[in-house]
Amino acid sequence: DIVMTQSPDSLAVSLGERATINCKSSQNVFYRSNNKNYLAWYQQKPGQPPQLLIYWASTRESGVPDRFSGSGSGTDFTLTISSLQAEDVAVYYCHQYYSTPHTFGQGTKLEIK
Amino acid sequence: EVQLLESGGGLVQPGGSLRLSCAASGFTLSTYAINWVRQPPGKGLEWVSNSCGTGDTTYYADSVQGRFTISRDDSKNTLYLQMNSLRGEDTAIYYCAKGDSTSCYTRLDYWGQGIMVTVSS
Repeated sequence: DIVMTQSPDSLAVSLGERATINCKSSQNVFYRSNNKNYLAWYQQKPGQPPQLLIYWASTRESGVPDRFSGSGSGTDFTLTISSLQAEDVAVYYCHQYYSTPHTFGQGTKLEIK
Repeated sequence: EVQLLESGGGLVQPGGSLRLSCAASGFTLSTYAINWVRQPPGKGLEWVSNSCGTGDTTYYADSVQGRFTISRDDSKNTLYLQMNSLRGEDTAIYYCAKGDSTSCYTRLDYWGQGIMVTVSS
């Protein structure tokens, strides 16, 4: 199974500042035949289901604010929130869908400093 | 509007069974992969199973292999998760989540609100 490891486990950032969350996979999730990384990011607010933010490592889902961006390839990925807003307080998860079983990172809790 | 509605959860004793349902609306279930993902109270997400391809392709996490079975009723646009030999560690919120295609290897673009399953004596 591919193990997804996020860092840090928790993060406190001031409003308007940049937040960066990292995700490392134990195996490559880049598929050469279509040149895509099978990596997604989700946001989960308390009492709600996860919501898709980013897929193919860097493609923003429709309706997601452009302050959210994803980068990386192969085994190392990053989710960046360029200017933190109060509504961004949540737990963020990375997810590899390159192989079954799909696996998630352990989550990163983002708070306001 | 795409919607997924889980039902069938509740309290069950260890060793017991439950069948969860995931009713889809706003799209045809058979034309997309559907996944089950669970979340124990206060913990992270764990992928459980998916139904993909034409519906006859299914995969399971090792933790549920042989105990859980996914099936589909296209006439009702509903997916089921039959859970047998339940254990305490199966206690979680269970979400059904839609893939963006029939492929087993897709992002999860829509999620239901989830249903709680509690395994306890």
